[in-house]
Amino acid sequence: NAGVTQTPKFQVLKTGQSMTLQCAQDMNHNSMYWYRQDPGMGLRLIYYSASEGTTDKGEVPNGYNVSRLNKREFSLRLESAAPSQTSVYFCASSEPGRSGELFFGEGSRLTVL
Amino acid sequence: QQQVKQSPQSLIVQKGGISIINCAYENTAFDYFPWYQQFPGKGPALLIAIRPDVSEKKEGRFTISFNKSAKQFSLHIMDSQPGDSATYFCAASMEAAGNKLTFGGGTRVLVKP
Repeated sequence: NAGVTQTPKFQVLKTGQSMTLQCAQDMNHNSMYWYRQDPGMGLRLIYYSASEGTTDKGEVPNGYNVSRLNKREFSLRLESAAPSQTSVYFCASSEPGRSGELFFGEGSRLTVL
Repeated sequence: QQQVKQSPQSLIVQKGGISIINCAYENTAFDYFPWYQQFPGKGPALLIAIRPDVSEKKEGRFTISFNKSAKQFSLHIMDSQPGDSATYFCAASMEAAGNKLTFGGGTRVLVKP
């Protein structure tokens, strides 16, 4: 099983450019999440989707948009990238009502110059 | 404002020793407290978790101790092994709010042979 798959794994952008991070899960989970990881800050929630067709802001949503395309896919878009968005981005999925365990992808490392 | 504070930021322990990581939380509505383990280049993975109705949970060499009155919980790694070298994150969530985890800042553990 692939679990949670993120693309691309690495990306370098110039300030002001846009890009979309893709995420897909094959575990038939209802909930999906986007986190960013920065040194000393742990992981901070950007956006989440409790179920297909719904999305909501997390702790640090500014500068990002998301789309829950279907039950499997949840994308994160940076419309105008800024150096402060240099980070490692993780997508995760879970099934509400169970153990609460989140299953993470391997991350997408983004550098904004 | 970090709702879950984790210490220390890094830890070096000899093989066979005990690694101790501490976390403190502010929101008394949190009712689920997991620990995640992350190896370089990988996403975090659930290691062990506890709910506030118990004071301790043990799985193999890993033990969570929970102090509800102090709003603190800790991870103990007994008989630490070089393969335990990783970054560890504590986290907290509210079941009523879905599985949205609030993470601590992380602790990088190095076990020396």
